Amino acid sequence: EAQVTQNPRYLITVTGKKLTVTCSQNMNHEYMSWYRQDPGLGLRQIYYSMNVEVTDKGDVPEGYKVSRKEKRNFPLILESPSPNQTSLYFCASSLRQGTYNEQFFGPGTRLTVL
Amino acid sequence: LAKTTQPISMDSYEGQEVNITCSHNNIATNDYITWYQQFPSQGPRFIIQGYKTKVTNEVASLFIPADRKSSTLSLPRVSLSDTAVYYCLVGDTGSGAGSYQLTFGKGTKLSVIP
Repeated sequence: EAQVTQNPRYLITVTGKKLTVTCSQNMNHEYMSWYRQDPGLGLRQIYYSMNVEVTDKGDVPEGYKVSRKEKRNFPLILESPSPNQTSLYFCASSLRQGTYNEQFFGPGTRLTVL
Repeated sequence: LAKTTQPISMDSYEGQEVNITCSHNNIATNDYITWYQQFPSQGPRFIIQGYKTKVTNEVASLFIPADRKSSTLSLPRVSLSDTAVYYCLVGDTGSGAGSYQLTFGKGTKLSVIP
């Protein structure tokens, strides 16, 4: 089944404890991205990647890192999480870059930073 | 990327037709208009896309006037299960040079009332 998977689905952590949220797609998509969703602020793009080893900042990259060493994986890294990073996170992928290409979203990761 | 403007929220009774309009005054020649639907705590999913005139699928219709400066998503005879946030995106295939950020914004929250 074609899908985007994220792990973990739920995470409660404390300020400053490094964490990684994994994202994997099995559709051989070139474009992958991370979003965060907060009440009243909509869906905001954090980072995106157009292909292996090609990443760039989205609208809200501060406090996050990403890597794209393999085509299928695009992990989101929070080196020193803070409470303002408490949010619902979505990973997405599409065949290529460009709004024209359908985005496939993962199930989401609800992160709470205490 | 063309900036889009949508109403923040709409209410509708079950069984009615709902029309959500998106304004995109600076749409470019190569841009397509794409709509996504997001249910609570789920990632957005693609529902319809068009370039001009009218597009219809099993879920919705998309009306685009000749000047393409706006578009209207039409949901026929809505039910409670259509309660969701609807996002309008405008952009191209990504074949040209430039930033490939995707901007979903806040979308339109549709509430269907029994």
